Amino acid sequence: DAGVIQSPRHEVTEMGQEVTLRCKPISGHNSLFWYRQTMMRGLELLIYFNNNVPIDDSGMPEDRFSAKMPNASFSTLKIQPSEPRDSAVYFCASSGGQIRSMNTEAFFGQGTRLTVV
Amino acid sequence: GDSVTQMEGPVTLSEEAFLTINCTYTATGYPSLFWYVQYPGEGLQLLLKATKADDKGSNKGFEATYRKETTSFHLEKGSVQVSDSAVYFCALSGPKTSYDKVIFGPGTSLSVIP
Repeated sequence: DAGVIQSPRHEVTEMGQEVTLRCKPISGHNSLFWYRQTMMRGLELLIYFNNNVPIDDSGMPEDRFSAKMPNASFSTLKIQPSEPRDSAVYFCASSGGQIRSMNTEAFFGQGTRLTVV
Repeated sequence: GDSVTQMEGPVTLSEEAFLTINCTYTATGYPSLFWYVQYPGEGLQLLLKATKADDKGSNKGFEATYRKETTSFHLEKGSVQVSDSAVYFCALSGPKTSYDKVIFGPGTSLSVIP
């Protein structure tokens, strides 16, 4: 397996524009996580899905952020409209198996570095 | 709720020095515990893990022992190298009811100088 794949690796956009980040989890994993990492706040969990259903979105900072998982092999994180304070590295991670596992590690993608100017 | 606390960095050591990064956790039930490492410009990757009390996880010369009585999982390495410079995250994964959610500590930055 190629691991968790995120695209794009880098994104520079102007304030007010819509930004869509994409993630392909590891095949067979049933949990998917979106994290944001900044120097100020460290690694923050934004939202996580289990079996394509959002379980906890309490980390989503505001209504400008939305995430979807239309099927087991694809997820998006959208910011609309984007603001300079959204600049960060966004990571997607996946874990778990077909049978809900006891305790499993998360596998991370390489991240998307977002810069909003 | 579940949480992870780890020592603040940055930590700067000379090559071949002994490393300890402290980690303590709060959790219901019996979580699994992990150490992740993040090299510059990369995502997090699993370094080692322990799934039950008194287990010792080890990898690449790093070790950590699951101490239920002190709710700790301290990371140690006997002799660090420049290539160990990275950010280290302690994490836990709750029991089945938490849908495999992984909770991370804030991370500890390590710099090893020659």
